[in-house]
Amino acid sequence: DGGITQSPKYLFRKEGQNVTLSCEQNLNHDAMYWYRQDPGQGLRLIYYSQIVNDFQKGDIAEGYSVSREKKESFPLTVTSAQKNPTAFYLCASSDPGLVNEQFFGPGTRLTVL
Amino acid sequence: QQPVQSPQAVILREGEDAVINCSSSKALYSVHWYRQKHGEAPVFLMILLKGGEQKGHDKISASFNEKKQQSSLYLTASQLSYSGTYFCGTGGSARQLTFGSGTQLTVLP
Repeated sequence: DGGITQSPKYLFRKEGQNVTLSCEQNLNHDAMYWYRQDPGQGLRLIYYSQIVNDFQKGDIAEGYSVSREKKESFPLTVTSAQKNPTAFYLCASSDPGLVNEQFFGPGTRLTVL
Repeated sequence: QQPVQSPQAVILREGEDAVINCSSSKALYSVHWYRQKHGEAPVFLMILLKGGEQKGHDKISASFNEKKQQSSLYLTASQLSYSGTYFCGTGGSARQLTFGSGTQLTVLP
């Protein structure tokens, strides 16, 4: 089955620790995205990558970092510099065509204690 | 800039109709509509591209007026399964989307 996987579903960390969220896709999509969602709010773009070894900052990149060493993988690191990291994180990917439909993973709920 | 969705929330009875609007201050190349159930990932509904087209999927349809930089999502004869939060995502010249803050739709029996 083709799709996007994110792990873990729930993640707890102590304040001041860096944490890396996993995102893997087997849809052969070139573009991948990371979004943050806070309760009752929309999706805000953190980082996106159009192609391997290249990525751009989104609207709220401060305190986050990413890498794109493989087409299938786009991990997100939430660093200690992120002041309010507790949120629901969604990874998505899209095909290279004109339509750019985005497929979302199941999300990771990060709680920083 | 984030597109503006209205209304923020709507409550319906099963079988009633609803309209959700999405407007942007920027020129739009495309409008995407997604539905998200609580605690789950957003699910794609439809995409509208430049050209003022209208699309439909079962009893859910949408229109896109690029001159007004607006899109509307129409839900007719709503079902319980339509409950969730609806997001519009607007696409500019680049490939990334900017999402609205969502419209929470509740369908009651």
